[in-house]
Amino acid sequence: DGGITQSPKYLFRKEGQNVTLSCEQNLNHDAMYWYRQDPGQGLRLIYYSQIVNDFQKGDIAEGYSVSREKKESFPLTVTSAQKNPTAFYLCASSAASGASYEQYFGPGTRLTVT
Amino acid sequence: AQSVAQPEDQVNVAEGNPLTVKCTYSVSGNPYLFWYVQYPNRGLQFLLKYITGDNLVKGSYGFEAEFNKSQTSFHLKKPSALVSDSALYFCAVNRATDKLIFGTGTRLQVFP
Repeated sequence: DGGITQSPKYLFRKEGQNVTLSCEQNLNHDAMYWYRQDPGQGLRLIYYSQIVNDFQKGDIAEGYSVSREKKESFPLTVTSAQKNPTAFYLCASSAASGASYEQYFGPGTRLTVT
Repeated sequence: AQSVAQPEDQVNVAEGNPLTVKCTYSVSGNPYLFWYVQYPNRGLQFLLKYITGDNLVKGSYGFEAEFNKSQTSFHLKKPSALVSDSALYFCAVNRATDKLIFGTGTRLQVFP
């Protein structure tokens, strides 16, 4: 899991509440990513950021929001508009944006919304 | 559109035997290909990647993968499996973007 930390490891929320997942990296990486993992579906990209103060929507951005105010931090907010938020959320970073760079992943946050 | 397929949900192998986890891809042009491993309730760990050059790529923990352009495959291999290799393995592809496309994963079970 390298130099990427995600907190908390487990998170429980009531339906209708917004919740923010933390992601911090000390690898001095420019690019950061948020994925959602559901059983049998692999990983799906929510948002990504190539540089500070800039981010782009991934394939499933609806109901989520992000910010990138610092190079080392890329928090994800799961809003009440996300219809099925219960999932395992993974944050990743890479040295730079670009197709040849491998991504390094944090340990994940398992979110349960009831 | 880019895509990657892992045709086997699960692969079972006896400890000490060789293992293969299959991956095929679809992308226009030259692909960048990756393998990751995930242990239970953990993040993904990078194993190896193919960018260009030698078709046989060596990675972490004794794993290797062979790029086959004509068959559009990038199968993960290890000569002698260990029980500790049991995990979920993901193949991923990228080309000319910074967005990885992941397969659905293959669960490797190594029996003692």
